[in-house]
Amino acid sequence: EVQLVESGGGLVQPGGSLRLSCEASGFTFRRSWMSWLRQAPGKGLEWVANIKEDGSDKYYVDSVKGRFSISKDNAKNSLYLQMNSLRVEDTAMYYCAKDSEGYENWGQGTLVIVSS
Amino acid sequence: EIVMTQSPATLSVSPGERATLSCRASQSVNNKLAWYQQRRGQAPRLLIHTVSTRATGVPARFSGSASGTEFTLTISSLQSEDVAVYYCQQYYNWKTFGQGTKVEIK
Repeated sequence: EVQLVESGGGLVQPGGSLRLSCEASGFTFRRSWMSWLRQAPGKGLEWVANIKEDGSDKYYVDSVKGRFSISKDNAKNSLYLQMNSLRVEDTAMYYCAKDSEGYENWGQGTLVIVSS
Repeated sequence: EIVMTQSPATLSVSPGERATLSCRASQSVNNKLAWYQQRRGQAPRLLIHTVSTRATGVPARFSGSASGTEFTLTISSLQSEDVAVYYCQQYYNWKTFGQGTKVEIK
């Protein structure tokens, strides 16, 4: 059974940093593209970033380029999202998901609140 | 960026009746179109990918279709557990979502 468990969310001040983690199990992580997505309170879904199987290629939505960095550690079956220079508009539930035809597997999410 | 536009914003349907949700893409998505269901307080659940292929475990009352850049999700006989927000997503060119359609019981 595929399982994705996010952690690392919390309350942070504008301009601060957070590192989100996603622990994966139940599938061959090293052969999988992975994504981070987010959902602001009461709003729709937004893809944030994704990363190739071996970590060699990374892609970001324009609004986070230069501030967020996605990475994966295939030895630890873990996906990360380093978030710097956080803004109030980054407040959202952050999900990790396995890339496929659509996103069949999602974590339960970790909540990031950016507020002073 | 490919813009996905969903309609209506809210759909009220009686139990057992058909629900039809629409999604329009601003350009071709080459059949790379998925539908998700998100119940209150839960993570999204993949219902349909590649326009019309049901994901594992999805009931047969959910079906997807397309005509050019217009996509449709049909729930043939609405059940109470289908109350949710439904999103379409294209994954042909980057990944973008529609704004969602809320389905409620009339």
